[in-house]
Amino acid sequence: QQQVKQSPQSLIVQKGGISIINCAYENTAFDYFPWYQQFPGKGPALLIAIRPDVSEKKEGRFTISFNKSAKQFSLHIMDSQPGDSATYFCAASIVGGGGNKLTFGTGTQLKVEL
Amino acid sequence: NAGVTQTPKFRILKIGQSMTLQCTQDMNHNYMYWYRQDPGMGLKLIYYSVGAGITDKGEVPNGYNVSRSTTEDFPLRLELAAPSQTSVYFCASSYYTLSSGRAYEQYFGPGTRLTVT
Repeated sequence: QQQVKQSPQSLIVQKGGISIINCAYENTAFDYFPWYQQFPGKGPALLIAIRPDVSEKKEGRFTISFNKSAKQFSLHIMDSQPGDSATYFCAASIVGGGGNKLTFGTGTQLKVEL
Repeated sequence: NAGVTQTPKFRILKIGQSMTLQCTQDMNHNYMYWYRQDPGMGLKLIYYSVGAGITDKGEVPNGYNVSRSTTEDFPLRLELAAPSQTSVYFCASSYYTLSSGRAYEQYFGPGTRLTVT
């Protein structure tokens, strides 16, 4: 039972381009939606997160767009750089819902080419 | 602060052997978690703890056990290792207070790569 579906599985973007990764969730009780970035051999690290009371959150080159009615959220990376090449995971949880347990998507391998 | 530390970094086990994966955090976080990461499958929660002495099952707990005797440590025990337990294991921690109602970041350790043959 996959509660958070992520696409695409892999993505190749040219330097300076826009990278877009999409996620869809099923559980309407989810109220916290983080994106994690993972480099090879490392643990995931929080990149940016959003609560459902806003439709967009921007931090530098990274933006989350959130559509509550469609139960979808996406990560946009503007002016993508080779250093952004990593695996990105979307996740969702219920704040205070017995441990704030994260349900992860299956990940997107992003490669930014020169 | 060292953050979340995990030992060992790598381990090869034979089928039927047992081992304990160690996890320690120095951020005084009350919540701790164990995940496993399989290729193309994302991270799946094995067990979690909301405080010392309190643990609960996650999505994939079979074949594992945990304990939480202190705030800092959250070891994961594998009994009778099986090839299906070949994976990368991540420990994470976070802070939460019911009164705040806000979500807090989960901090992940560097992982333990386990192979069972």
